[in-house]
Amino acid sequence: KAGVTQTPRYLIKTRGQQVTLSCSPISGHRSVSWYQQTPGQGLQFLFEYFSETQRNKGNFPGRFSGRQFSNSRSEMNVSTLELGDSALYLCASSPGQGNEQFFGPGTRLTVL
Amino acid sequence: DAKTTQPPSMDCAEGRAANLPCNHSTISGNEYVYWYRQIHSQGPQYIIHGLKNNETNEMASLIITEDRKSSTLILPHATLRDTAVYYCIVRALPSGNTPLVFGKGTRLSVIA
Repeated sequence: KAGVTQTPRYLIKTRGQQVTLSCSPISGHRSVSWYQQTPGQGLQFLFEYFSETQRNKGNFPGRFSGRQFSNSRSEMNVSTLELGDSALYLCASSPGQGNEQFFGPGTRLTVL
Repeated sequence: DAKTTQPPSMDCAEGRAANLPCNHSTISGNEYVYWYRQIHSQGPQYIIHGLKNNETNEMASLIITEDRKSSTLILPHATLRDTAVYYCIVRALPSGNTPLVFGKGTRLSVIA
């Protein structure tokens, strides 16, 4: 089975712009979670989607949003980018809620 | 906040067993112990999880104390490729849909 794929792998944006990151889960997995990893804050949970519904949300501002499509693929969007949004954004999929999560390689976002 | 405490770093000689401790003194009865690792610049990788019995798979063994307040992840024959940050996480299952809460983990260095 193919693993979790994330596109793009690297991205450079400037302050004020917006960005959309994509995640394709493992085939058959219905739950997708997003995490942000920075050197200062470590790995932090952003949100989780299951069957196109957001089931859980971390403590991030409303500039961070996401969605899940009927094929379980997910996107996350960050609007009005700030320098502090520079991070590795990780997507993880699991067969259902509560199962172990399998992570993708991440998208490294740099905001200049 | 993470409910686990881990040493920040450990060294292990190649070919020897690596024993990574984790304290989770406030663990609840319905919470499992999960271990993930993150090799540099990659997404976290699931290793193993358990509730109260010891568990073993092809990657590692998990030893949970009888009072469940601490656990040890054992890599029986560490190789250089096991150099990574190892995260111990407690998480409610199966009814809970709580996200993974990562702490700072233990940076394991396997030395030739």
